[in-house]
Amino acid sequence: DSGVTQTPKHLITATGQRVTLRCSPRSGDLSVYWYQQSLDQGLQFLIQYYNGEERAKGNILERFSAQQFPDLHSELNLSSLELGDSALYFCASSVGHSNTGELFFGEGSRLTVL
Amino acid sequence: GQQLNQSPQSMFIQEGEDVSMNCTSSSIFNTWLWYKQDPGEGPVLLIALYKAGELTSNGRLTAQFGITRKDSFLNISASIPSDVGIYFCAGPNNAGNMLTFGGGTRLMVKP
Repeated sequence: DSGVTQTPKHLITATGQRVTLRCSPRSGDLSVYWYQQSLDQGLQFLIQYYNGEERAKGNILERFSAQQFPDLHSELNLSSLELGDSALYFCASSVGHSNTGELFFGEGSRLTVL
Repeated sequence: GQQLNQSPQSMFIQEGEDVSMNCTSSSIFNTWLWYKQDPGEGPVLLIALYKAGELTSNGRLTAQFGITRKDSFLNISASIPSDVGIYFCAGPNNAGNMLTFGGGTRLMVKP
């Protein structure tokens, strides 16, 4: 158990809909990262938050947004969903904002868009 | 951006065999990391390498940080069924705020 909690574990929705994925980092970790894992794309970095502020942005679509709340949990919002958005979405956390690579990953949220 | 290329993409081996996989990049990395993803789980850090030429072991796993800083290798000795999973190499960008992952090597072990 990494200590990172993600909900929901599975989500099935239709194209055009909007969903919210939730992440609680490990106790004491201030940074939260979101990654997307598709079958043919590997792990793609989406966005990082540190102590409530956006820290780094990767290949995140404009239809996607995220935020980190004062209690440090984070939400990833995916809107106008398309079939290609079907993927595993991972949240990871670390203590600091400088990523030395020691990230702790949750079990992921599997999104299926029909 | 920085890209990491892993090979082989997949391996199907017999229990007890040794395994070698590698990761290469066109740009220099100052840190190399190896993660393992078990089926249905998130990736877990196996080994971190911080110095060119460094050789680090974690049980039956040994990883090396290439001298050129553009590659890294992971070896698994005497494989067992629980070694099954996807092995990712990863490295942080220069700003240290983004971790780039390779495409992964999928390992399957036949008992």
